Amino acid sequence: GESVGLHLPTLSVQEGDNSIINCAYSNSASDYFIWYKQESGKGPQFIIDIRSNMDKRQGQRVTVLLNKTVKHLSLQIAATQPGDSAVYFCAENIGQAGTALIFGKGTTLSVSS
Amino acid sequence: DSGVTQTPKHLITATGQRVTLRCSPRSGDLSVYWYQQSLDQGLQFLIQYYNGEERAKGNILERFSAQQFPDLHSELNLSSLELGDSALYFCASSVSGRIQETQYFGPGTRLLVL
Repeated sequence: GESVGLHLPTLSVQEGDNSIINCAYSNSASDYFIWYKQESGKGPQFIIDIRSNMDKRQGQRVTVLLNKTVKHLSLQIAATQPGDSAVYFCAENIGQAGTALIFGKGTTLSVSS
Repeated sequence: DSGVTQTPKHLITATGQRVTLRCSPRSGDLSVYWYQQSLDQGLQFLIQYYNGEERAKGNILERFSAQQFPDLHSELNLSSLELGDSALYFCASSVSGRIQETQYFGPGTRLLVL
C-alpha cells in the first residue's frame, strides 16, 4: 500500500494567507522527499525537495519542513496566490528498489481572492 | 514547461486493443520513468530505464511493456487493454537516475479505453 499520505484531501485559503500542507510517511528508510504541484490537465511540477539529513529547506515563497521523529513532512506557501491553486503531492524515495518515487494521494489547494 | 514531451496527448481506444505511448526526455537526461495516475490508485510508478537498460520495475502489469531507444526516447506499450487501464500516463526524466535526483514530468497522455 501507500507509504506516503496526506492529512487533508482539500485545503481552502484566502489570497494572501499562508498555506500549510501536511504529509505523513511511514518508511523510516526514506531519505529523499519531494513536493510536486499538479495543475489541472498538466503533469506534476517540481516545487522543492529535501534530503533526510536536513530539517528545513526554503525556496521562493515555499518552505519544506521535515520531522523525522514523527515521520512528517510539510509544505508552507507564503502569501498564497490564486495561481497556487492546484493539487499538491508529497513523494518519497526510499533509496532502494531503484529510484522510484512513492506518491501520496494529494491535497487540493483552493485559493480564493 | 519541463522539457519532457509526450505524445499523443489523448488516446481513445477499445478494449482488447494495443497502444503505444511515446516520451522524449529532457535534453541530457539519460533516465526515463513511467507512471500511471488513476483516480483510485493515485500516481504509481511503473518502470524506469537508464541509457537503454531497464533499471527498476514497479506495479507494471504483464500486458504492459516499455523500452528506451538509443536516442533515449522511450515507448510504453499497453496491450489487451481493459476498461481499468483508462488513466493518465506520465513520463518523467532525470539526469542519471540516481537516488535523490529530481524527476521532471511530462504533460502526460490521457488514455480512455471504451
